[in-house]
Amino acid sequence: NAGVTQTPKFQVLKTGQSMTLQCAQDMNHEYMSWYRQDPGMGLRLIHYSVGAGITDQGEVPNGYNVSRSTTEDFPLRLLSAAPSQTSVYFCASSYAQGAGANVLTFGAGSRLTVL
Amino acid sequence: GNSVTQMEGPVTLSEEAFLTINCTYTATGYPSLFWYVQYPGEGLQLLLKATKADDKGSNKGFEATYRKETTSFHLEKGSVQVSDSAVYFCALSDPSSGSARQLTFGSGTQLTVLP
Repeated sequence: NAGVTQTPKFQVLKTGQSMTLQCAQDMNHEYMSWYRQDPGMGLRLIHYSVGAGITDQGEVPNGYNVSRSTTEDFPLRLLSAAPSQTSVYFCASSYAQGAGANVLTFGAGSRLTVL
Repeated sequence: GNSVTQMEGPVTLSEEAFLTINCTYTATGYPSLFWYVQYPGEGLQLLLKATKADDKGSNKGFEATYRKETTSFHLEKGSVQVSDSAVYFCALSDPSSGSARQLTFGSGTQLTVLP
């Protein structure tokens, strides 16, 4: 059971470039989300989805786009990278209802540097 | 809004020492509380949780009790091991704020255990 798989693990971009961070889960979780982790700030929610075709903004959505065309995949797109987007990005998923609804399974992270 | 405040780190202990990491929270409703752990180079994983006042979560020798009167969820372990070296995050989910699956995280506490 692979859990939550994120690619790439590391990426360096120049200011203004675009890229997509990939996230896939094989647990049939309805809920998927993206967080960024910055020193001294914990994790902050960027975007989330409660099911295929449904997405919503989190705490820090500016500069990022998401889509959810299948239950398994939830890519995060950086439209025009800025140095302020240098961070470690985590994808996480969970069931939508029941006791497991608020227990997130995290991917291993993607470290992005914007020069 | 909701917030989680964690004890400042880093924390360095000798093996077999007693560990306490303080966590206090602010929430509008009746949140569930969590401790997540992040080992070097990995994503976060759930350590323990508590869903209502006076509940005690426990796992791998770690314990935390949900104290509504002091709005706290302090993490404790009686005898730490080198393998416990990691970053520990306190978090809450508050259904009254929109979604039970959206977690608010503290800033994290780095723990290093020396042999």
